[in-house]
Amino acid sequence: KNQVEQSPQSLIILEGKNCTLQCNYTVSPFSNLRWYKQDTGRGPVSLTIMTFSENTKSNGRYTATLDADTKQSSLHITASQLSDSASYICVVSGTVSGGYNKLIFGAGTRLAVHP
Amino acid sequence: ETGVTQTPRHLVMGMTNKKSLKCEQHLGHNAMYWYKQSAKKPLELMFVYSLEERVENNSVPSRFSPECPNSSHLFLHLHTLQPEDSALYLCASSQVSGGGDYGYTFGSGTRLTVV
Repeated sequence: KNQVEQSPQSLIILEGKNCTLQCNYTVSPFSNLRWYKQDTGRGPVSLTIMTFSENTKSNGRYTATLDADTKQSSLHITASQLSDSASYICVVSGTVSGGYNKLIFGAGTRLAVHP
Repeated sequence: ETGVTQTPRHLVMGMTNKKSLKCEQHLGHNAMYWYKQSAKKPLELMFVYSLEERVENNSVPSRFSPECPNSSHLFLHLHTLQPEDSALYLCASSQVSGGGDYGYTFGSGTRLTVV
């Protein structure tokens, strides 16, 4: 069964600290892996997208890693800011069907950054 | 704004009402999607339109009826909903070509409450 599991479910950190969010997946075949940030009551916004051959990708203070052998990904946030408080969703793109990629969503990690 | 606009942002409706959600994309994409996001659950894909043809209907109850009059507009018609249908409804669009999809972009969502 195609699944995406994220941990932790929620996390509280102090402003300025770093944190790492985890994503394990069992989606096969694999096309790409995406990390999204979703503010409360808003739509998800793409942070990074990585294909099978990419091990790491950065977007400002966000750095995503991918180990396609172990089917694990992480999202590292450096020097956290209050505006980083949001849900972070790991999404794995699976088989191409009907001309589009089927996305498998994780349940997300809820991050709260406190002053 | 992401280039995908959803209206209304908030909607409260009774179980006997009929209402419609609207989505418009300004990105020149050729595929559009409806998702449902319930509290603490992963996003659930409801419908996919590729080149204005419905290519996926994920066992969604008939009280939800999608309409895609052209590649830029997508509607979700609602009637006789149940309280458990209360959720954030997200629209997304992407460009499908060469066996993959690109530029996957979400709208800000419509927060639906059924009373």
